[in-house]
Amino acid sequence: DSGVTQTPKHLITATGQRVTLRCSPRSGDLSVYWYQQSLDQGLQFLIQYYNGEERAKGNILERFSAQQFPDLHSELNLSSLELGDSALYFCASSVEGWDTDTQYFGPGTRLTVL
Amino acid sequence: GDSVTQMEGPVTLSEEAFLTINCTYTATGYPSLFWYVQYPGEGLQLLLKATKADDKGSNKGFEATYRKETTSFHLEKGSVQVSDSAVYFCALSVTAGGTSYGKLTFGQGTILTVHP
Repeated sequence: DSGVTQTPKHLITATGQRVTLRCSPRSGDLSVYWYQQSLDQGLQFLIQYYNGEERAKGNILERFSAQQFPDLHSELNLSSLELGDSALYFCASSVEGWDTDTQYFGPGTRLTVL
Repeated sequence: GDSVTQMEGPVTLSEEAFLTINCTYTATGYPSLFWYVQYPGEGLQLLLKATKADDKGSNKGFEATYRKETTSFHLEKGSVQVSDSAVYFCALSVTAGGTSYGKLTFGQGTILTVHP
């Protein structure tokens, strides 16, 4: 158990809908990351937050947004869902968000868009 | 941009065989290098890391050495077990222009299957 929790574990929804994925980092970690894992794209970095502020952005679509709250949990919002958004979404956390930090991954949320 | 290339898989070995999974990288700054492992149905776990050239990371019998001259970070284990069957990812994160970016850039992953 990494100490990072993600809910829900599975999500099935229809095209055009909006969903929210939630992540709670390890106790004491200030930085949260979101990654998308799909068969065709592999593991891709989406966005990083540090202590409530956005620190780095990757290949995140405009239909997707995220935030980190004062209690350090984070939410990833996906809207106007398309079939191609079906993937495993991982949250990870680290102490400070430096390049040398170890990132601890949650178990993931599997999103299926029908 | 930054990228990581892993050897094509899948890799199938017999128990107690020697394992090598090749990993090379391209980075604009000074990378830290990682190997993560993903067991079926689970999230990724750090296997080992190295944060500067010539460092050797090791854990659970696995080793990898950060080779700046060949831009490589190959994963090795002397004697694999059935329980090592998993997907292995090589990854990097960089400091560039004086800014440390924690985001990980991953290779495509290598599926390892170990038979008894």
